[in-house]
Amino acid sequence: EIVLTQSPATLSLSPGERATLSCRASQSVSSYLAWYQQKPGQAPRLLIYDASNRATGIPARFSGSGSGTDFTLTISSLEPEDFAVYYCQQRSNWPTFGPGTKVDIK
Amino acid sequence: EVQLVESGGGLVQPGRSLRLSCAASGFTFDDYAMHWVRQAPGKGLEWVSGISWNSGSIGYADSVKGRFTISRDNAKNSLYLQMNSLRAEDTALYYCAKARRVYALIDAFDIWGQGTMVTVSS
Repeated sequence: EIVLTQSPATLSLSPGERATLSCRASQSVSSYLAWYQQKPGQAPRLLIYDASNRATGIPARFSGSGSGTDFTLTISSLEPEDFAVYYCQQRSNWPTFGPGTKVDIK
Repeated sequence: EVQLVESGGGLVQPGRSLRLSCAASGFTFDDYAMHWVRQAPGKGLEWVSGISWNSGSIGYADSVKGRFTISRDNAKNSLYLQMNSLRAEDTALYYCAKARRVYALIDAFDIWGQGTMVTVSS
């Protein structure tokens, strides 16, 4: 099983600031990594697939990068609606998810 | 509108069974693999099981292998999860999720239902 780790566990930032979230895989997943956003009481929403491709309707302030074992989700300027939990997921093998990074308001 | 609606959750005693359903609409169901993902209260996401568009390929997480069975009925646009020998640690919100690409078994999940809650307790 491919294990994903995410850091930091919590990121405290203010609206307008830049957020940088990390996801590391226990072995190479090539570019087969996705990012999701989940708000309380809601289902996850796909943000990024295949490491760097924005899903339909996702604002340009969300971007993804990386390949192999190290990946980054960047939110260029946080909007109030961006405070949420973010998960990475690999599809190199049967899917696994990272433990999540909570982005909360400082 | 593309939509997934889960049902069948509830309170069940340890060792008993439950069958979840997921009704799909707004897309060509039999073109896409479908998956179940669960989330224990206050915890992260855990992939449970996936099934290819034609039921030819199926996979399970080790935590449910031998106890859960995934299936689909393309004529009814429906996905199922038969859960046997339930344990307290199976308590979670169960989501069904659609694979993003046509015919791809393992993929990102672009459409999610709102989930159905399963509570295993005596």
